Amino acid sequence: GNSVTQMEGPVTLSEEAFLTINCTYTATGYPSLFWYVQYPGEGLQLLLKATKADDKGSNKGFEATYRKETTSFHLEKGSVQVSDSAVYFCALIASNSNSGYALNFGKGTSLLVTP
Amino acid sequence: GAVVSQHPSRVICKSGTSVKIECRSLDFQATTMFWYRQFPKKSLMLMATSNEGSKATYEQGVEKDKFLINHASLTLSTLTVTSAHPEDSSFYICSAPATGGIYEQYFGPGTRLTVT
Repeated sequence: GNSVTQMEGPVTLSEEAFLTINCTYTATGYPSLFWYVQYPGEGLQLLLKATKADDKGSNKGFEATYRKETTSFHLEKGSVQVSDSAVYFCALIASNSNSGYALNFGKGTSLLVTP
Repeated sequence: GAVVSQHPSRVICKSGTSVKIECRSLDFQATTMFWYRQFPKKSLMLMATSNEGSKATYEQGVEKDKFLINHASLTLSTLTVTSAHPEDSSFYICSAPATGGIYEQYFGPGTRLTVT
């Protein structure tokens, strides 16, 4: 079946540190890959996406590259801010999904950035 | 961006009672909505796909008679947890795809259900 595995947190970083959150996936066919972010007390928001191999998604200084050879979609940011503190979810939509366009999520990684 | 609301944001009910959770798309129409369940420190698990004007599609292992879904209009889907038990306590989240696209989904803020 389709699944997403991401590193478990919590991850605690100092402001301006480099961030990497690992994400790997298992899927048949050619999934589309996503990173969603959930700020405290808010709903999930799309952070970035990539729909085919070697695509790089980027937004708000975050980026992730769709690596088909390693089935990975690691999230990176060069310099985190306190306002980046949130829970980050890696997710996919399988091209052969029987659930339409429902997302298949990883477990989420909590990030805390301290001043 | 588009907004999806959920009501209530949190609810406490007694075992054996039923609880209805509403999911509304506020500024767009949604023929499809998704219902997820999130356990502590766990991922979101898709429960069912709600289809406007037709029956919901449930994921394997999700009891249709326990989690009743109704999608009566293009802006409203409801999830009713019937005869709730403590093990139904969880965080329930709905989402709706953006009009005309599959890559953007808008999520509600979630409903925290506690069954005592």
